[in-house]
Amino acid sequence: AQSVTQLDSQVPVFEEAPVELRCNYSSSVSVYLFWYVQYPNQGLQLLLKYLSGSTLVKGINGFEAEFNKSQTSFHLRKPSVHISDTAEYFCAVRPPGNNRKLIWGLGTSLAVNP
Amino acid sequence: AAGVIQSPRHLIKEKRETATLKCYPIPRHDTVYWYQQGPGQDPQFLISFYEKMQSDKGSIPDRFSAQQFSDYHSELNMSSLELGDSALYFCASSLGRGGGGSYNEQFFGPGTRLTVL
Repeated sequence: AQSVTQLDSQVPVFEEAPVELRCNYSSSVSVYLFWYVQYPNQGLQLLLKYLSGSTLVKGINGFEAEFNKSQTSFHLRKPSVHISDTAEYFCAVRPPGNNRKLIWGLGTSLAVNP
Repeated sequence: AAGVIQSPRHLIKEKRETATLKCYPIPRHDTVYWYQQGPGQDPQFLISFYEKMQSDKGSIPDRFSAQQFSDYHSELNMSSLELGDSALYFCASSLGRGGGGSYNEQFFGPGTRLTVL
């Protein structure tokens, strides 16, 4: 079975500051890794994903994440955040294969303040 | 590009009533997933269908049922609604047998917000 732990439930940060949202996972098999963003009152949007290959993955809106197999982590980073990045961020994993369900972390609420 | 469509977007029901949520996948997608996200919670997987057959089952209550139709749209039927059923219900779709490899991305709809009073 797989599980996902997002270490911070809330992250307040000032505009233009860097941010890191932490995600650790547990799995006995290799998994695909995802970060989704949920803006207030909206649906889930895929930010980026790691399937294989380069461990540094770049996504939309200037976000990137690094897969660290030895630490079973997939932390999300952005060098300079904007007010518009205020949202809920979810880390998720999924075993390879068709039609497999996503397993989610509890989410991290990013609040960007002016 | 066409996205996943969910209807209705908002639904208010009384306790013990029934509700039907609909999901229209991206054209050509043959797999549908349902997730439930309670207030301040992570999405919980409920059930999925591939080619009109149930492919996986999660924490879906017995009061709920779902099916996928010949046009690949899916409906989640909820009976004897309880206050705790108030949540955002997401539908996602994917192409179950994508070209090469085993990755098939799930695309999410905007969700249906169900409020049970």
